[in-house]
Amino acid sequence: AQRVTQPEKLLSVFKGAPVELKCNYSYSGSPELFWYVQYSRQRLQLLLRHISRESIKGFTADLNKGETSFHLKKPFAQEEDSAMYYCALSEADSWGKLQFGAGTQVVVTP
Amino acid sequence: GAVVSQHPSRVICKSGTSVKIECRSLDFQATTMFWYRQFPKQSLMLMATSNEGSKATYEQGVEKDKFLINHASLTLSTLTVTSAHPEDSSFYICSARDERLAGGTPSSYNEQFFGPGTRLTVL
Repeated sequence: AQRVTQPEKLLSVFKGAPVELKCNYSYSGSPELFWYVQYSRQRLQLLLRHISRESIKGFTADLNKGETSFHLKKPFAQEEDSAMYYCALSEADSWGKLQFGAGTQVVVTP
Repeated sequence: GAVVSQHPSRVICKSGTSVKIECRSLDFQATTMFWYRQFPKQSLMLMATSNEGSKATYEQGVEKDKFLINHASLTLSTLTVTSAHPEDSSFYICSARDERLAGGTPSSYNEQFFGPGTRLTVL
């Protein structure tokens, strides 16, 4: 069963505009949620994880257990933010096994 | 950050042959590595969890006799695609779990580092 849903396949925004990537999950326990990013011709890399409650490259994501969401936000998009973004979930005590959403391609135009 | 390498980066083989893909953690030990498969314009699909010194754990629908995984050391896991067919053509990605952050527990509070992937084309 699909546990991570990213409804948008493609998000096109102008430079300087806010961007929000949606991620919803389905899991009854206490999940670990992550956002991974893949820039063109580069490997997948961790952007941020909910447990750290940090801001990376201006991006933030808050885990909302009531809405089972973990949306990724940035107030002012930059051209270098153009990439593929994947939301991922890891179940408790799963030795780090990740389940990925379908991914959202972000294109930031000048 | 920690680095994971994969070899080869690209391989083309004939149908019926076997192909071995290596995944190495270069500057950290990884008792757990993961193998993913990614089709064009699609997400990563977990194939199996590779455990050092024990048998791999395969996800539902993944043929263990088709995709042989060996995790012989703390820095190396190999995926062998046996009797490859054109439908096995895909992008194979490995990741390694940094045990130092998780403290050797099943906790998911850890960072996984991904390899650059291997493009397999079966003719």
